[in-house]
Amino acid sequence: AQSVTQLDSHVSVSEGTPVLLRCNYSSSYSPSLFWYVQHPNKGLQLLLKYTSAATLVKGINGFEAEFKKSETSFHLTKPSAHMSDAAEYFCVVSDSGGSYIPTFGRGTSLIVHP
Amino acid sequence: DAGVIQSPRHEVTEMGQEVTLRCKLISGHNSLFWYRQTMMRGLELLIYFNNNVPIDDSGMPEDRFSAKMPNASFSTLKIQPSEPRDSAVYFCASSLEGPGANVLTFGAGSRLTVL
Repeated sequence: AQSVTQLDSHVSVSEGTPVLLRCNYSSSYSPSLFWYVQHPNKGLQLLLKYTSAATLVKGINGFEAEFKKSETSFHLTKPSAHMSDAAEYFCVVSDSGGSYIPTFGRGTSLIVHP
Repeated sequence: DAGVIQSPRHEVTEMGQEVTLRCKLISGHNSLFWYRQTMMRGLELLIYFNNNVPIDDSGMPEDRFSAKMPNASFSTLKIQPSEPRDSAVYFCASSLEGPGANVLTFGAGSRLTVL
């Protein structure tokens, strides 16, 4: 069984300040973990993925995430927020040993203030 | 590749009418997912196909909804009869399923409004 919890439904930051979007997962197998971004009125786009290689994963647009097995976390960070980062972010888990159906978190809305 | 292509992008219809949403997968992908997104319920998985076979349809709301994959590159999601509560954005996504991370590629979505 697999599940994912995004701890914040909304995160509000000022432009130029760091971003932290939190995600905890549960998985019976070695998980693959993903972050997707959805800008208003758009489809979802892959930001980055973890697949049991390096625990620190770099993605597009300056985002990165760290896989911490001991904490079952996969938090998304960015050193400096830009106005264009305002979007909905989804954390996703997929079991390697079970079905390939991914489980999506409820999403975190990132608000960036000028 | 043009990515996952969905049509129509917008559909406005009246209650009771049949609605057909279409999805063209990325060439070579073997898995297809239909999702529904609303403000109230977020992103919900409706149905998952692998190699044209429906593997999990437990998310299909009721018998009014049906999905098909007549071939490896195309899928339809049909709602008959439609109801106002079906109003949502419907996404399809495809992937190449196999060992390793299975990245979903999403279409731009079909926004359905049922009056």
